[in-house]
Amino acid sequence: GAGVSQSPRYKVAKRGQDVALRCDPISGHVSLFWYQQALGQGPEFLTYFQNEAQLDKSGLPSDRFFAERPEGSVSTLKIQRTQQEDSAVYLCASSSHGTGGNEQFFGPGTRLTVL
Amino acid sequence: LAKTTQPISMDSYEGQEVNITCSHNNIATNDYITWYQQFPSQGPRFIIQGYKTKVTNEVASLFIPADRKSSTLSLPRVSLSDTAVYYCLVGDTNSGYSTLTFGKGTMLLVSP
Repeated sequence: GAGVSQSPRYKVAKRGQDVALRCDPISGHVSLFWYQQALGQGPEFLTYFQNEAQLDKSGLPSDRFFAERPEGSVSTLKIQRTQQEDSAVYLCASSSHGTGGNEQFFGPGTRLTVL
Repeated sequence: LAKTTQPISMDSYEGQEVNITCSHNNIATNDYITWYQQFPSQGPRFIIQGYKTKVTNEVASLFIPADRKSSTLSLPRVSLSDTAVYYCLVGDTNSGYSTLTFGKGTMLLVSP
């Protein structure tokens, strides 16, 4: 595709429900990143994949958050037993190289609202 | 990662040049300076990146003084569509991967 796509664009969950957010990166991009953006704040790093390997998950806020990229392309961010504080926009970005500093291409994000 | 400081908001009018300055006093030798732009309901978009002196592309210019402790993003002749949040980031591009540390950014409002 022309850019990074994410689905769903909007998700409403009841507290305690599990959710799964999908990211389709730009074809061929090695690196994939997940960010969380609270209202009025800048994006905050959650986790990083290089191909299928999750090299950094230091930003995941709790063990309820889990991300995978099994075939090195599409990635899924799963949040178990959602809490109200999980409400945010979840952004996915991809980059063509595994080295640092390369331009990251962001998707439009998934807005998660936990009631 | 070096911490950055930038104004919370700026106002401008169409056709004016806008300069947004970012402070990064603890920038490291291997760190590059990158600026992203974010519109409402969209993900951030790369604008420009530089290491020292001046970088110019079709969208903006980036001025970096010799001590690299600050940088200025210059947007020539802004239009209403330039209203957005602008983020200044500093990080090592030579690492095996990079994670971008965003601050709160600068909200630029362009008025007619």
